[in-house]
Amino acid sequence: AQSVTQLDSQVPVFEEASVELRCNYSSSVSVYLFWYVQYPNQGLQLLLKYLSGSTLVKGINGFEAEFNKSQTSFHLRKPSVHISDTAEYFCAVTRMDSSYKLIFGSGTRLLVRP
Amino acid sequence: KAGVTQTPRYLIKTRGQQVTLSCSPISGHRSVSWYQQTPGQGLQFLFEYFSETQRNKGNFPGRFSGRQFSNSRSEMNVSTLELGDSALYLCASRSGTSDNEQFFGPGTRLTVL
Repeated sequence: AQSVTQLDSQVPVFEEASVELRCNYSSSVSVYLFWYVQYPNQGLQLLLKYLSGSTLVKGINGFEAEFNKSQTSFHLRKPSVHISDTAEYFCAVTRMDSSYKLIFGSGTRLLVRP
Repeated sequence: KAGVTQTPRYLIKTRGQQVTLSCSPISGHRSVSWYQQTPGQGLQFLFEYFSETQRNKGNFPGRFSGRQFSNSRSEMNVSTLELGDSALYLCASRSGTSDNEQFFGPGTRLTVL
């Protein structure tokens, strides 16, 4: 079975500061990795995904993530956040052979303060 | 290309009633998955339909069911509603081939009183 751990339930930062949202996963089989963002009263929007190849993945809105197989981590980073980045962020995995089923972490609320 | 649409966006029901939620996937997508989001349990996979067939089901009671039509639109039904069924129900569509990206709709907020 797969599982995803997001250790930080909330991360407060000031505008223009850098941020890292942590994600660790557990799986006995190969997986794909994703980060989604959810704004209030909305669905999930894909920020970026890791399928294979380069371990540094760039996504939308200036976000990037690095896949570390030895540490089973997929941390999300942004060098300079904006007020509009305030949202809930979810890390997720799927098995490579059954990518219809996303396993989500518990989410991290990013709170950007002026 | 239009995104995933879900209707209704908000719903209020009372315990014991049943409810049907609807999801229209992106045009050309054949796979529809449903997820339940609650503050306590987070995001959990309910089931997935592909070409009108349920391919997999999450760990939910039989009160939760669904179906998919020939145009790929999907419905989810919950019978004998319980207070704990209050949640945001999200639908996601996928092309169903080798594509692994799921596109989510805005969700249906169900409140059970």
